[in-house]
Amino acid sequence: AQSVTQLDSQVPVFEEAPVELRCNYSSSVSVYLFWYVQYPNQGLQLLLKYLSGSTLVKGINGFEAEFNKSQTSFHLRKPSVHISDTAEYFCAVIRNSGNTPLVFGKGTRLSVIA
Amino acid sequence: DAGVTQSPTHLIKTRGQHVTLRCSPISGHKSVSWYQQVLGQGPQFIFQYYEKEERGRGNFPDRFSARQFPNYSSELNVNALLLGDSALYLCASSLLPPRETQYFGPGTRLLVL
Repeated sequence: AQSVTQLDSQVPVFEEAPVELRCNYSSSVSVYLFWYVQYPNQGLQLLLKYLSGSTLVKGINGFEAEFNKSQTSFHLRKPSVHISDTAEYFCAVIRNSGNTPLVFGKGTRLSVIA
Repeated sequence: DAGVTQSPTHLIKTRGQHVTLRCSPISGHKSVSWYQQVLGQGPQFIFQYYEKEERGRGNFPDRFSARQFPNYSSELNVNALLLGDSALYLCASSLLPPRETQYFGPGTRLLVL
């Protein structure tokens, strides 16, 4: 079964600084990868996804992520964060074959400091 | 276009009671999945339905059940509520299961006292 590890539970960063949220996955087969964002008291919003093709994926709100198969990673980056980026970020993985569910990491709390 | 909608938004129950949560998918989406998100954790998969049939079930007790209706909306039922069932329950819809991108609703926050 696949699993997801988000290496940092909390990441504080100053406004306009760059940020990287780390995600590693474990799977014996090929996978699709997703990043979701959850603002306080809300559901999950899709930021970006990797299905195939280019390993650099661009998403909404200026975020991007790079799929690295050899390191089984899918780290999320943003060159300059805003206060409004303060939220919980979840990495998720699903096998690209068979009937298995979407599996989420435990989340990374991004706090942007003015 | 309307996104995934869920009702109610908040709910307070006592131990031993039963609860029904409702979800309407994005128009055109035929698959609905349910997740439980306990405070401080990522969502955990409970069920996936497609064309009114169960396509997947997570590691949850039989107290949890669900169904999907002909209009693709769905209900999640939980019997004999326990304190540990307190969580945010998220519904997600997708065009097809299981690997199509899932779009989430705002969730129903359940508190069991």
